[in-house]
Amino acid sequence: GAVVSQHPSRVICKSGTSVKIECRSLDFQATTMFWYRQFPKKSLMLMATSNEGSKATYEQGVEKDKFLINHASLTLSTLTVTSAHPEDSSFYICSAIDGTPPLHFGNGTRLTVT
Amino acid sequence: QKEVEQNSGPLSVPEGAIASLNCTYSDRGSQSFFWYRQYSGKSPELIMFIYSNGDKEDGRFTAQLNKASQYVSLLIRDSQPSDSATYLCAVSNYGQNFVFGPGTRLSVLP
Repeated sequence: GAVVSQHPSRVICKSGTSVKIECRSLDFQATTMFWYRQFPKKSLMLMATSNEGSKATYEQGVEKDKFLINHASLTLSTLTVTSAHPEDSSFYICSAIDGTPPLHFGNGTRLTVT
Repeated sequence: QKEVEQNSGPLSVPEGAIASLNCTYSDRGSQSFFWYRQYSGKSPELIMFIYSNGDKEDGRFTAQLNKASQYVSLLIRDSQPSDSATYLCAVSNYGQNFVFGPGTRLSVLP
C-alpha cells in the first residue's frame, strides 16, 4: 500500500515555457503532500507543503509565483514550473503521508530546460 | 533551526562486512526517525523507521535510537554491492516537519 505516482518521469522543455508535474496518491487519501527539489549529489530540499483545499506553504527562498502548487483533491497535487529557465533544471520529487509517517515518495521528475 | 547531520562519506566497506551509518539531530521534540536509501537518479525508498529507544531489526538492517544522545544509526550486516547508495536520515515530529540529513554515500566493494 501507500503508493505515490508521479508523472512525467522525465521532461525536456524550452526556456520560457511552463511545465506541470503531477503527484497522485494511488491507494490512500493525502491531505498533505510535500514537494522536494534535488540537485546532483545534493540532499533533498523541501520546496513547499501542499495542503488539500488550501494554499500551499512555501519554504523560505522558494518563489511561489514561479512554482505554482495546486492540491485540488485528496489524491492529486500538481507543481507547475512557470517560465522555466535552465537553472530550474533539477530532480523534483513529491511525497505524501498515509495518515501517519513515514513519507512515501513518488519516483521523481527529471526536468531539463534547454 | 532544526538540523539533521550525517557524515557525507563516502563510506567504503568490503562485501560481507557491517556498514554503520550515523545520524544526529538537534530537535529534542523529534518523535519519529527514518532511514531512506536513494540510488543515483532515483527517489528515496524507505528502509526502516524507529520510534522508541533501542534497536529494531529487519533482515540485514538494524536501526538504533538513543533519544538522550539525539543519535540514530543504521547497521547493514553482510553488506552487498547492491547496498551501494546514499542513505538519508530523516526525523519528524508527529508526522509534521520532516527534516532530512544530507545523506551518507555508501560504497560496498566486491
